[in-house]
Amino acid sequence: GAVVSQHPSWVICKSGTSVKIECRSLDFQATTMFWYRQFPKQSLMLMATSNEGSKATYEQGVEKDKFLINHASLTLSTLTVTSAHPEDSSFYICSARDRGYFYGYTFGSGTRLTVV
Amino acid sequence: KQEVTQIPAALSVPEGENLVLNCSFTDSAIYNLQWFRQDPGKGLTSLLLIQSSQREQTSGRLNASLDKSSGRSTLYIAASQPGDSATYLCAVEDNNAGNMLTFGGGTRLMVKP
Repeated sequence: GAVVSQHPSWVICKSGTSVKIECRSLDFQATTMFWYRQFPKQSLMLMATSNEGSKATYEQGVEKDKFLINHASLTLSTLTVTSAHPEDSSFYICSARDRGYFYGYTFGSGTRLTVV
Repeated sequence: KQEVTQIPAALSVPEGENLVLNCSFTDSAIYNLQWFRQDPGKGLTSLLLIQSSQREQTSGRLNASLDKSSGRSTLYIAASQPGDSATYLCAVEDNNAGNMLTFGGGTRLMVKP
């Protein structure tokens, strides 16, 4: 079945630095990938839709200059948290889908970001 | 705007019980509904996907039903086991929302030995 690989699984960074998270579709091509954020004991909130070869679409309230998304190929999307602050600490998860809506979405294993 | 609600928010049962998790959504114009499992600190594992034209799907001890007209889905877990302990999330994919998923708040399940 479709596999989405996400790295790193956890990262600790200092306040003010930038962190890049990668999301790869291993056995299929994904023109669209989705990035979610999850706070403890809460559900997933969509941050942005990553589109291969074009600009990402951000949800209302998500700062596009802070959360930079690049979808340079059909198998890789990256999320860069720029000038990270402690309030950016969260669990970030990406997802993609192989083929059309008849098939469900596959999620990465998530990245736990801690900003100190 | 689609809203998805899951009841109960938390559930604790003894091993062996059959249980039902509920999911409701406000806009019935959906492509499909998907049930996921999430273990602490992990990503989401897809359990079952129900297309809008289907009534139910089964996988092992899991059975999910869909009543699109009433905006409801249930996930039935038979003969629960401690390994079933996790958070269960339902999500709907809307016809009118650019293929994005809208998630419910989840049900945290604890199955006690």
